[in-house]
Amino acid sequence: DQQVKQNSPSLSVQEGRISILNCDYTNSMFDYFLWYKKYPAEGPTFLISISSIKDKNEDGRFTVFLNKSAKHLSLHIVPSQPGDSAVYFCAAGNAGGTSYGKLTFGQGTILTVHP
Amino acid sequence: EPEVTQTPSHQVTQMGQEVILRCVPISNHLYFYWYRQILGQKVEFLVSFYNNEISEKSEIFDDQFSVERPDGSNFTLKIRSTKLEDSAMYFCASFLFRPGEAFFGQGTRLTVV
Repeated sequence: DQQVKQNSPSLSVQEGRISILNCDYTNSMFDYFLWYKKYPAEGPTFLISISSIKDKNEDGRFTVFLNKSAKHLSLHIVPSQPGDSAVYFCAAGNAGGTSYGKLTFGQGTILTVHP
Repeated sequence: EPEVTQTPSHQVTQMGQEVILRCVPISNHLYFYWYRQILGQKVEFLVSFYNNEISEKSEIFDDQFSVERPDGSNFTLKIRSTKLEDSAMYFCASFLFRPGEAFFGQGTRLTVV
């Protein structure tokens, strides 16, 4: 099941610079998308989401961009901080029918921010 | 800040034994989920639960699995006869109305030996 893909297993960035994490999806029925951050031995922590009717959503240092025609979304973190070092998961869902709330996850990208 | 709590944090069990994983979702949430992550793999959907019944389940969620919300606060996942391949992190999640704001517990690491 490759409906949501994060093609970069890891990303290394210098503190203060921009981190860009990418995610592609294949299922046109997805109508909302989320980014989660996960530290070892903890559950995923919700970061930011975007509905398919928008192309951008911003929350502090985090911005998610959605390109529906390309079935691509990205998470920008500016400026990056060492505390941002974690695994980032992209997830997608469909708000209709019995699948309401069910999330399909990507494989995750390990972000390392160097001081 | 409200949180989803899961117990135990780690459970070791022998193959063939029954296990019950427990979750206390955020108190006013209406939708409840179990996910799992096998080491090195994706987080996978197992089951969703709303209005005291299963609304959707994945292929993984076979007859060995069951869920309950016995007392209006706890949300449990039972595996009747564990197999080695059930070893994984199991995450409980919940949200109120908007699936775009699902909160996850810290997970239970299940090890089947």
